[in-house]
Amino acid sequence: GNSVTQMEGPVTLSEEAFLTINCTYTATGYPSLFWYVQYPGEGLQLLLKATKADDKGSNKGFEATYRKETTSFHLEKGSVQVSDSAVYFCALQTGANNLFFGTGTRLTVIP
Amino acid sequence: DAGVTQSPTHLIKTRGQQVTLRCSPKSGHDTVSWYQQALGQGPQFIFQYYEEEERQRGNFPDRFSGHQFPNYSSELNVNALLLGDSALYLCASSATSGGKGDTQYFGPGTRLTVL
Repeated sequence: GNSVTQMEGPVTLSEEAFLTINCTYTATGYPSLFWYVQYPGEGLQLLLKATKADDKGSNKGFEATYRKETTSFHLEKGSVQVSDSAVYFCALQTGANNLFFGTGTRLTVIP
Repeated sequence: DAGVTQSPTHLIKTRGQQVTLRCSPKSGHDTVSWYQQALGQGPQFIFQYYEEEERQRGNFPDRFSGHQFPNYSSELNVNALLLGDSALYLCASSATSGGKGDTQYFGPGTRLTVL
């Protein structure tokens, strides 16, 4: 079946620290992979995506590389800001087009 | 360009009642998916509508039903509400390309509380 396992949070970092949030997946076939972000009281916003192996998705300083050999899609950012505080969700999408989400990782960045 | 909109924002119901949630997709999108997000969890797929028909369904009981209108907007109906139905209900829209990985764009959600 399809599933996503995310690094458990919460994660607390100081401003300008390096961020990694781990994500691994199990899927039938070759899924597309996504990171979504959810700010307090809001819906989900697409952060980045990758549709095939070795693709790198990037946006707003965040990046993630689709690693088929390790079935991973880890999210990284070189220098986090207070405004990055949110819950981050890793997700996969199969040809059937519905999304399977991880449980989310809450990030808090302190000044 | 308006994004995905949902109404109402919040809703309080009692057990056994019925509820209808509404969603308008992003302009140019023809596919609507619904997700349930319980507190502290990731969203769970309920079903997806395309061309006014349910195209896929997740592991949710028949109490959850939906509809898509000719203008691509959609409704989610839940009958015989249970306490466990309390959650944030998210609507997502996408443009069906026929390829894989049609990106889904989410609305702000409807917060349903069942007392």
